Amino acid sequence: NLMLTQPHSVSESPGKTVTISCTGSSGSIASNYVQWYQQRPGSAPNIVIYEDNQRPSGVPDRFSGSIDSSSNSASLTISGLKTEDEADYYCQSYDSFNWVFGGGTELTVL
Amino acid sequence: QVQLVESGGGVVQPGGSLRLSCSASGFTFSSSGMHWVRQAPGKGLEWVTFILYDGSSKYYADSVKGRFTISRDNSKNTLHLQMNSLRAEDTAVYYCAKAGYTYGPFDSWGQGTLVTVSS
Repeated sequence: NLMLTQPHSVSESPGKTVTISCTGSSGSIASNYVQWYQQRPGSAPNIVIYEDNQRPSGVPDRFSGSIDSSSNSASLTISGLKTEDEADYYCQSYDSFNWVFGGGTELTVL
Repeated sequence: QVQLVESGGGVVQPGGSLRLSCSASGFTFSSSGMHWVRQAPGKGLEWVTFILYDGSSKYYADSVKGRFTISRDNSKNTLHLQMNSLRAEDTAVYYCAKAGYTYGPFDSWGQGTLVTVSS
């Protein structure tokens, strides 16, 4: 069964760039699309990247996604960090009628 | 715009039952697959179950298989989750979410409803 592993937390200063990784446990992470969700405290999740690297309308182009097949991982990169980006971020993919989330990464912008 | 509103959460004793509902508007509900996703207090997101747009296929996480049942009423734009034999570990906020397409992203989420299983 697919498992997605994320770092528990990352921190960076405003204006800088941060990258959050999501590593697949088995098979190829490139076999199915990866999505990324942002969840601010006390709020429902909100999609920020779908199909590996596509941004929904309304999501700033400071958010980007990528896949690295050599490391079997996906990444979410946020550039020009703002304090409003402080949130939990979850990667998600699909495997054999099972939708899988990573454990989540807490982003602190300080 | 898409709106999903969950209801039916509350406190229930271990072994008890609860039925959640999700009222949908702003999109063609009868053409969209739907999910339930839960989040235990202080924990991450866990996918629970999915139902195809016409109700013909349903999938469940192993943790709830045989205890939870997803259903939908396309005439009322409503999604349901019947939860039986509830356990303490089922305590969570339950979100309904719209599927962008069958195996695709969760593109819209409700605000969630809290289920607490406790004696």
